[in-house]
Amino acid sequence: AQSVSQHNHHVILSEAASLELGCNYSYGGTVNLFWYVQYPGQHLQLLLKYFSGDPLVKGIKGFEAEFIKSKFSFNLRKPSVQWSDTAEYFCAVISLTDSWGKLQFGAGTQVVVTP
Amino acid sequence: EAQVTQNPRYLITVTGKKLTVTCSQNMNHEYMSWYRQDPGLGLRQIYYSMNVEVTDKGDVPEGYKVSRKEKRNFPLILESPSPNQTSLYFCASSLGVRGGQNSPLHFGNGTRLTVT
Repeated sequence: AQSVSQHNHHVILSEAASLELGCNYSYGGTVNLFWYVQYPGQHLQLLLKYFSGDPLVKGIKGFEAEFIKSKFSFNLRKPSVQWSDTAEYFCAVISLTDSWGKLQFGAGTQVVVTP
Repeated sequence: EAQVTQNPRYLITVTGKKLTVTCSQNMNHEYMSWYRQDPGLGLRQIYYSMNVEVTDKGDVPEGYKVSRKEKRNFPLILESPSPNQTSLYFCASSLGVRGGQNSPLHFGNGTRLTVT
């Protein structure tokens, strides 16, 4: 079955530390990949997306993600986090080959940044 | 302002009492979808719609119904709610597929449903 896995459920780190969140998927074929962020009490917002081309994509608020096709991974990174990055982060994948229209989310990673 | 509007934001109801959560978007989006968010499970898709009168099941459709009679509206109907449907629900919309790529989703603010 197709799946999206996020490696960490909870991450706690200090301000200025670097952040990397893992995301792996099991889809075959062509995929579109997304990272969404959900700040406390708010709805999901798009951080960045990968459709094709340069596998290193840059998003809002200093986030970037790298698509590694051979590893079926789309990891999210930020070199230096701020307290305001405290949020839940979701990886999402949609296959253009198998299940058009069915975007699938990972379970999410809760990130807490301490001052 | 471009937005996805869900109502109500909070709803407490009893088992078996039919309810509808409304969702409306003003961006002329073709694609709309409903998700439920539960701790440790992330977002799971309930139903989605590619366009007017075109709907399909997501991963957890049991106990839910939807309709898409107009492009802007995509209500979620619980005919006989049960406690296991207590959850946070999000409606989302997008332009769908453009140029072979999926447009990002725009999310509503969520509806927190409690079924006692």
